[in-house]
Amino acid sequence: QSALTQPASVSGSPGQSITISCTGTSSDVGGYNFVSWYQQHPGKAPKLMIFDVSNRPSGVSDRFSGSKSGNTASLTISGLQADDEAVYYCGSYRSSSTQVFGTGTKVTVL
Amino acid sequence: EVQLVESGGGAVRPGGSLRLSCAASGFTFEDYGMDWVRQAPGKGLEWVSDINWNGGSTSYADSVKGRFTISRDNTKNSLYLQMNSLRAEDTALYYCARKGYLQEAFDIWGQGTMVTVSS
Repeated sequence: QSALTQPASVSGSPGQSITISCTGTSSDVGGYNFVSWYQQHPGKAPKLMIFDVSNRPSGVSDRFSGSKSGNTASLTISGLQADDEAVYYCGSYRSSSTQVFGTGTKVTVL
Repeated sequence: EVQLVESGGGAVRPGGSLRLSCAASGFTFEDYGMDWVRQAPGKGLEWVSDINWNGGSTSYADSVKGRFTISRDNTKNSLYLQMNSLRAEDTALYYCARKGYLQEAFDIWGQGTMVTVSS
């Protein structure tokens, strides 16, 4: 059950937009519209930012958006802010009620 | 307030057993699927196990299949993870997570309970 592939790090200046990719296979990301994204600050539990590819939970800023094309999903953070600095994980349903997470991307606000 | 609180972690020798618990509050526990997710020190998230709303369906990561058992008691609003034949690579912070209603995403997380497997 190999993890989904994410870039190790992405950086941007305040106010800029950044995009994090999440590459899987047709058995997970490409096969279902059940991609989610999580934000994790150091020492904290993950927080759901996007579910079902592009939906935001109540309370999550509309600066966060998600999309998917084929076997690759993406998270875009627009208007980058200092508090966005965190590790971001994608997640996907894989089949038979199993799940898989991405390798994680460290976002740095320059 | 919607809350998940894990307990039961600790230090154990290789080959030993532990039972983790997760107490849920602030929502109708029996309406939701529940999962365990772990994170080894300094590493990423790893999905461990899933149980549906009534405990009738469970699934496991290959890395724990045959050694871990997930269960729930809806009368006690509690989720459990029985961990047997523990290995050093099971050392991690174990999170209890709620699946969103009719979703496959985890919308509520506990703060985690640490499990350390070492001789």
